[in-house]
Amino acid sequence: GNSVTQMEGPVTLSEEAFLTINCTYTATGYPSLFWYVQYPGEGLQLLLKATKADDKGSNKGFEATYRKETTSFHLEKGSVQVSDSAVYFCALTPNNAGNMLTFGGGTRLMVKP
Amino acid sequence: DAGVTQSPTHLIKTRGQHVTLRCSPISGHKSVSWYQQVLGQGPQFIFQYYEKEERGRGNFPDRFSARQFPNYSSELNVNALLLGDSALYLCASSFGGNNQPQHFGDGTRLSIL
Repeated sequence: GNSVTQMEGPVTLSEEAFLTINCTYTATGYPSLFWYVQYPGEGLQLLLKATKADDKGSNKGFEATYRKETTSFHLEKGSVQVSDSAVYFCALTPNNAGNMLTFGGGTRLMVKP
Repeated sequence: DAGVTQSPTHLIKTRGQHVTLRCSPISGHKSVSWYQQVLGQGPQFIFQYYEKEERGRGNFPDRFSARQFPNYSSELNVNALLLGDSALYLCASSFGGNNQPQHFGDGTRLSIL
């Protein structure tokens, strides 16, 4: 079956530090990959996506590259802000069976001023 | 434009009762999905409906059921509630095609006493 594994948090960084949140996946074929962000008390917001190998998704300074050879989709940001503090979820949908999402367990990011 | 709306925002029930949660998708979206998010975990897929037909079902017991109406809104029903059903229930909508990103509501927080 499909699965997503994320690095466990919390990840605590100082403002302007470099961020990496690791994500690896198991799936048949070529899934689409997503990063969602969840702020306290809210639902999930789509942060970025990639639909094929070597695609790079980017949004709001965040980036992730679809690496099929390592089945990874690591999230990066060059300089985090306090407002980036949230829980980040990596997710996939299979390419041939609708767009149901399989999520990782989430990684909490805390950014200190 | 209005996003995905869910009602109620919070709900408290006791064991053995049943509950109905409601979701209105983004205008133009024909697919609705339901997810259960237990505290501290990633969302788990429950159901997906597209054009009023069930397109997918996750690994949940028959106590969970759902339907989609002609206006594409949806209800999730849970019977014989258990303490373990306490969670945030998220609804997401999309256009329905493969690889289409899902857009989430803020969820219904269900607490079972």
